[in-house]
Amino acid sequence: GALVYQYPRRTICKSGTSMRMECQAVGFQATSVAWYRQSPQKTFELIALSTVNSAIKYEQNFTQEKFPISHPNLSFSSMTVLNAYLEDRGLYLCGARPGPYAEQFFGPGTRLTVL
Amino acid sequence: AQSVTQPDARVTVSEGASLQLRCKYSYSATPYLFWYVQYPRQGLQLLLKYYSGDPVVQGVNSFEAEFSKSNSSFHLQKASVHWSDSAVYFCALSNLYNQGKLIFGQGTKLSIKP
Repeated sequence: GALVYQYPRRTICKSGTSMRMECQAVGFQATSVAWYRQSPQKTFELIALSTVNSAIKYEQNFTQEKFPISHPNLSFSSMTVLNAYLEDRGLYLCGARPGPYAEQFFGPGTRLTVL
Repeated sequence: AQSVTQPDARVTVSEGASLQLRCKYSYSATPYLFWYVQYPRQGLQLLLKYYSGDPVVQGVNSFEAEFSKSNSSFHLQKASVHWSDSAVYFCALSNLYNQGKLIFGQGTKLSIKP
């Protein structure tokens, strides 16, 4: 079956420091990977969408300078939260798809706490 | 512009009762529609999806949803709920040209009374 793993599941960082999170697709080739954030008591917002052989597309209010993403192959992606502050806390989900017309498989998320 | 609205932030039903969670969308072309469930302290699990064809789609755990183009809706239903259905349910939208991007509603928290 298709599975998506995320590491770490939980992390705590000090305000102003950076934190890297990883996403791994197992059982399928992740031709596109989307990173979402769920802030406390809110819904999921798309941060950026990475598609193989295309540039990573960031949504409004999110930038590469703040959330650099790497998608080096069809099974792995990582995202870093640079210079994290309180408003960056939340659950970060990775959603991976094997191709067009395919559903997006989600990992369990990385929960970020900023002190 | 695309958007998803879940008008009910919280819904409480008795165990064994029927359930409907509402979802309205805004999109001028043909939408792809999804329902996801989030159990406490977990990520998202897909319940069901609609791309085209029969407007009534069946999902996991006896959930189903009906797509209505005229009403711009995709309501989730279940004939008889179980206590384990307590969770937050999210309706989401994408489209043919941007399939990797999901737009989520605000979520509906479902509580089941014993």
